[in-house]
Amino acid sequence: GENVEQHPSTLSVQEGDSAVIKCTYSDSASNYFPWYKQELGKRPQLIIDIRSNVGEKKDQRIAVTLNKTAKHFSLHITETQPEDSAVYFCAAMDPGNQFYFGTGTSLTVIP
Amino acid sequence: GAGVSQSPSNKVTEKGKDVELRCDPISGHTALYWYRQSLGQGLEFLIYFQGNSAPDKSGLPSDRFSAERTGGSVSTLTIQRTQQEDSAVYLCASSHGKGDTQYFGPGTRLTVL
Repeated sequence: GENVEQHPSTLSVQEGDSAVIKCTYSDSASNYFPWYKQELGKRPQLIIDIRSNVGEKKDQRIAVTLNKTAKHFSLHITETQPEDSAVYFCAAMDPGNQFYFGTGTSLTVIP
Repeated sequence: GAGVSQSPSNKVTEKGKDVELRCDPISGHTALYWYRQSLGQGLEFLIYFQGNSAPDKSGLPSDRFSAERTGGSVSTLTIQRTQQEDSAVYLCASSHGKGDTQYFGPGTRLTVL
């Protein structure tokens, strides 16, 4: 089955700097890769996603890149703000529509 | 419209008791997912429904866990003879169809004493 690995597990950046979180997956047939933000005690919220027929997607300060050959995808947050502090999860969906999540990255943006 | 709802929000039970967790997906969403999130951990996939059918139940941790969905809407996750290691937040998500964006419910925090 699919195996998703996420790095780093914790990340601290200064406000205004960029943050990058990376995930790798094992099943080359996986075709949908969402990213979720989860604030403490709250439900995961989708922030951006990418499908396997696209290499990059951007939404304001957030971007995701996908390298199908290397089987990895990354989340990029530019001009970080304190409210970006949260746990971020990547996920990969296999052809059976099962989702496999990474173990999460706790991002702290220092004012 | 209304989002995904789950009940109860919190459940405290004694070891050995059965519990039933409920998920109300967004109206019209055909796909429904159950996940388990232990404290400080990622999301563990449990089961996925397309309509009332669950194509693959292999994600359920043990035969004490079962889930059903009726009428293509509400789903219940039942844990029999609960154990302390079952303590976690159980999250439900729904999506319009296969491979579409998932929207999560607020979760049920289960504590087994």
